[in-house]
Amino acid sequence: DQQVKQNSPSLSVQEGRISILNCDYTNSMFDYFLWYKKYPAEGPTFLISISSIKDKNEDGRFTVFLNKSAKHLSLHIVPSQPGDSAVYFCAAHQAGTALIFGKGTTLSVSS
Amino acid sequence: DAGVIQSPRHEVTEMGQEVTLRCKPISGHDYLFWYRQTMMRGLELLIYFNNNVPIDDSGMPEDRFSAKMPNASFSTLKIQPSEPRDSAVYFCASSQGYSGNTIYFGEGSWLTVV
Repeated sequence: DQQVKQNSPSLSVQEGRISILNCDYTNSMFDYFLWYKKYPAEGPTFLISISSIKDKNEDGRFTVFLNKSAKHLSLHIVPSQPGDSAVYFCAAHQAGTALIFGKGTTLSVSS
Repeated sequence: DAGVIQSPRHEVTEMGQEVTLRCKPISGHDYLFWYRQTMMRGLELLIYFNNNVPIDDSGMPEDRFSAKMPNASFSTLKIQPSEPRDSAVYFCASSQGYSGNTIYFGEGSWLTVV
């Protein structure tokens, strides 16, 4: 039973355009949501997070939106750059428990 | 400042052999996690420790898998006997306290069982 779902395995975007990566979750007890980025042959690295008391968090070109009623979050990258090409993992947890990751979405940004 | 160190980076072994993966967490971190990445299941949590004590091992797939943390600076994940379906990338991660954005991953151990 997958608690964190990333239904799009891949996404292709042109440089300068917006990338939107989506994530759905089933556990309403999750109170903290994160996005991790992973380049080939490297471990995942933290990108941005949002707590359940907020609906938006921005960090430079990256914005995460949370819709608790829909149990949905999304990561917006504006403008997309070729260096953003990577696998993006959505993750969630509730206090005191381990992070649960989705399967990941591979983003390809073409110049 | 050294990050999470995993060894070996790559391992190819024959079915039935024992495999031991090693992890040195970041100094001062009190949580250690073992994750496995496959195409089918993405990043799965196998087990995690707090202050060297296993807290949740419900993700360990079978009795063939075992993990230990004898001290704060070392952990092992052992598979015995190994099977082809164990082929995956195994990540170790550590954190100080537990808040998702402070989890630091190692570069992973690529395991191929033939």
